[in-house]
Amino acid sequence: QKEVEQDPGPLSVPEGAIVSLNCTYSNSAFQYFMWYRQYSRKGPELLMYTYSSGNKEDGRFTAQVDKSSKYISLFIRDSQPSDSATYLCAMLGETSGSRLTFGEGTQLTVNP
Amino acid sequence: SQTIHQWPATLVQPVGSPLSLECTVEGTSNPNLYWYRQAAGRGLQLLFYSVGIGQISSEVPQNLSASRPQDRQFILSSKKLLLSDSGFYLCAWSIDRKETQYFGPGTRLLVL
Repeated sequence: QKEVEQDPGPLSVPEGAIVSLNCTYSNSAFQYFMWYRQYSRKGPELLMYTYSSGNKEDGRFTAQVDKSSKYISLFIRDSQPSDSATYLCAMLGETSGSRLTFGEGTQLTVNP
Repeated sequence: SQTIHQWPATLVQPVGSPLSLECTVEGTSNPNLYWYRQAAGRGLQLLFYSVGIGQISSEVPQNLSASRPQDRQFILSSKKLLLSDSGFYLCAWSIDRKETQYFGPGTRLLVL
């Protein structure tokens, strides 16, 4: 079983829709949670970074972490065609031996 | 501000040829440096990481090697490429292991 599970999609939505992207994980030691956006043939860029449980909002993006369910989400409001990309979740534990563990990414297309 | 560079952007190499990919970081000192490989439809696989000059940790046994000859320079090498080495190679840096990682633009390698 993979430590981090993420539905690869593809996910296609109309412009203006609310998008929900999710990851589940099995390692209860994960404490740091990140979302990256990766455009085609580019390196991933950081969107959101959260520590432990709770919500974090940045413009149209909201990240949620539910450690009791081992479930994290990224919501995109008023989605735009420029949001079309692959979204990767990533997680890290507290211990020095912990490595940043990525989901496989969800491919999102926002249609004008 | 910090900037990370990778070159070349694209590389086509025959099987059995050597490889050298370079990554440099500007605007920070003593960063943690990472090499990842991203295969199509698969997540990011950590290959090597380095916490300082000459300090390399290997995550996956393979015919690749890494070196860090200077504080902000990280090199990925191979003496003889295999077909299975094809992929998208990403370099990343972080201030600290628990801090987020920032990625370079990547090198697309095709081994024929």
